[in-house]
Amino acid sequence: KAGVTQTPRYLIKTRGQQVTLSCSPISGHRSVSWYQQTPGQGLQFLFEYFSETQRNKGNFPGRFSGRQFSNSRSEMNVSTLELGDSALYLCASTGGGQFTEAFFGQGTRLTVV
Amino acid sequence: QKEVEQNSGPLSVPEGAIASLNCTYSDRGSQSFFWYRQYSGKSPELIMFIYSNGDKEDGRFTAQLNKASQYVSLLIRDSQPSDSATYLCAASGGSGGSYIPTFGRGTSLIVHP
Repeated sequence: KAGVTQTPRYLIKTRGQQVTLSCSPISGHRSVSWYQQTPGQGLQFLFEYFSETQRNKGNFPGRFSGRQFSNSRSEMNVSTLELGDSALYLCASTGGGQFTEAFFGQGTRLTVV
Repeated sequence: QKEVEQNSGPLSVPEGAIASLNCTYSDRGSQSFFWYRQYSGKSPELIMFIYSNGDKEDGRFTAQLNKASQYVSLLIRDSQPSDSATYLCAASGGSGGSYIPTFGRGTSLIVHP
């Protein structure tokens, strides 16, 4: 059974640019959550998509957005990149219900210069 | 705001000893609890989950949950240098019905030979 796949693994962007990250969840999982991880803030929840709908949202500015497709694959977009957006972006896949565990992808390391 | 608190460490233990990692959570309605291991530069890996009060054992790992005290712990028996990592505690299913786990900032564990 394939795990959670995130692409790309590494990205270097300049300030002001935008970036799109992709996440393919475990087959059969309908929920995809996105997290930002930095040394200072730990794992911060961005948003969750379930059946193509944003179901939960964290406290991030509107520059961070996402979507989910009918095959449960999800994309996250960050516009007008800032230096502070440099982080490891992780997506987690779950079945979407109560008592379900979250499985993480390998992450995308984004560096903004 | 839901919070999960962990001592950042590092917790240093000798090889073969028992490592005890602790976590408290603020949302009394939380129902699901998870422990993740994260090696430096890698993504979090689920190692244990627990839903009911008491102990749950899996190999060298034992998770303990005390809902009255809002306290979760992870014991690692016969600690090995390969157990050196950051351990993240997470809680979900609390007030508002959200299944999105809230993560602590993690405890760094160092197992020295």
